Amino acid sequence: SSELTQDPAVSVALGQTVRITCQGDCLRIYYASWYQKKPGQAPLLVMSGNYNRPSGIPDRFSGSGSGNTVSLTIAGSQAEDEADYYCLSRDSSGDHLLFGGGTKLTVL
Amino acid sequence: EVQLVESGGDLVQPGGSLRLSCTASRFTFSNYWMTWIRQAPGKGLEWVANINQDGYEKYYVDSVRGRFTISRDNAKNSLFLQMNNLRAEDTAVYYCAKYLRSGVVNTLYIWGQGTVVTVSS
Repeated sequence: SSELTQDPAVSVALGQTVRITCQGDCLRIYYASWYQKKPGQAPLLVMSGNYNRPSGIPDRFSGSGSGNTVSLTIAGSQAEDEADYYCLSRDSSGDHLLFGGGTKLTVL
Repeated sequence: EVQLVESGGDLVQPGGSLRLSCTASRFTFSNYWMTWIRQAPGKGLEWVANINQDGYEKYYVDSVRGRFTISRDNAKNSLFLQMNNLRAEDTAVYYCAKYLRSGVVNTLYIWGQGTVVTVSS
């Protein structure tokens, strides 16, 4: 069965670099996108096509992918980056979307 | 500014029905797949349903198939989610999103602000 696996929680010191990963067999076929979710707000696209940063997203956000793993890296983490982050791709059927379980990022 | 606005969320009893709407503006609605996503209290994001540009392709997560129906009216730039036989576990914030599905790319570029569905007696 298709699934995307993320670490439930990650912490980073203010100003340091953190990498959030997402693993799944479907990532060998389909690109992933990443979403930032803060309480009471709609999700925000922060990375598409594995490594394309939408306009308006700070350049401290970058993405990469290899094999069955994609990563979202935040270089020089800021307090406002504290949020839940979700990866998204398509499952093996090719028709259903699939979210990772989410990673709660804490900026210390 | 490209915008999606959901409406229709409410408190409903188990077994009841509800119809969610999502109105799009400032983009060519008929050119895009659309999708519904939900987030239950304290849980992660969950994909619910997709619909293609002309409304003939529709896909659902297993937990809602047969109870929910996604549809669209391109003339009115509107997306809908008819939810029947609602269960407590359907309680969530429901978001509509503009879905770019192109080759191996899968991106939800624009999201609405969400509408709250509560299923409880």
